[in-house]
Amino acid sequence: DIVMTQSPDSLAVSLGERATINCKSSQSVLYSSNNKNYLAWYQQKPGQPPRLLIYWASTRESGVPDRFSGSGSGTDFTLSISSLQAEDVALYYCQQYYSLPCTFGQGTKLEIK
Amino acid sequence: EVQLVESGGGLVQPGGSLRLSCAASGFTFSSYDMHWVRQSTGKGLEWVSAIDTSGDTYYPDSVKGRFTISRENARNSLYLQMNSLRAEDTAVYYCARERNSYGLDALDIWGQGTMVTVSS
Repeated sequence: DIVMTQSPDSLAVSLGERATINCKSSQSVLYSSNNKNYLAWYQQKPGQPPRLLIYWASTRESGVPDRFSGSGSGTDFTLSISSLQAEDVALYYCQQYYSLPCTFGQGTKLEIK
Repeated sequence: EVQLVESGGGLVQPGGSLRLSCAASGFTFSSYDMHWVRQSTGKGLEWVSAIDTSGDTYYPDSVKGRFTISRENARNSLYLQMNSLRAEDTAVYYCARERNSYGLDALDIWGQGTMVTVSS
């Protein structure tokens, strides 16, 4: 199984500042035949299901604000929020869907400083 | 509106069985691969099973042989039959839609979840 490790476990950022969450996979999730990274990012607020933010490592889902961006390739990935808003307080998870079982990171809790 | 609504959760004794349902609406259910994902209280997300549009099924080792995923396209419904339940199966169970069915993809639509508690 591919192990996904996020860092940090929790993060406090001031409103309007940049937030960065990292995700590392135990093996590459880049599929060479199509040059796509099989990596997604989800946001989860208390009492709600996860919400897809980013897929193919860097493609924003429809309706996701453009302050959210994803980057990285192979085994190292980053979710960035360019200017933190109060409504961005949540848990964030990365997920690999390169192979089954698809696996998630342990989550990063984002709070306001 | 694209929507998934789970039902069937509840309290069950260890060793017991439970069948979860997920009603889909707002999209052509038969054209999408579907998944179950669970989340224990205060814990992260764990993939539980998947079924593709052809009816092929997939499970992690933690539930293989105990859980069975199925679908009924005529009823726009997804199911999860859970047998030989253990305390560690206690979690919120979400059904989720895969973005497209051309190979593995991210999960773009999630239900609100149904709680399963395994306890004596």
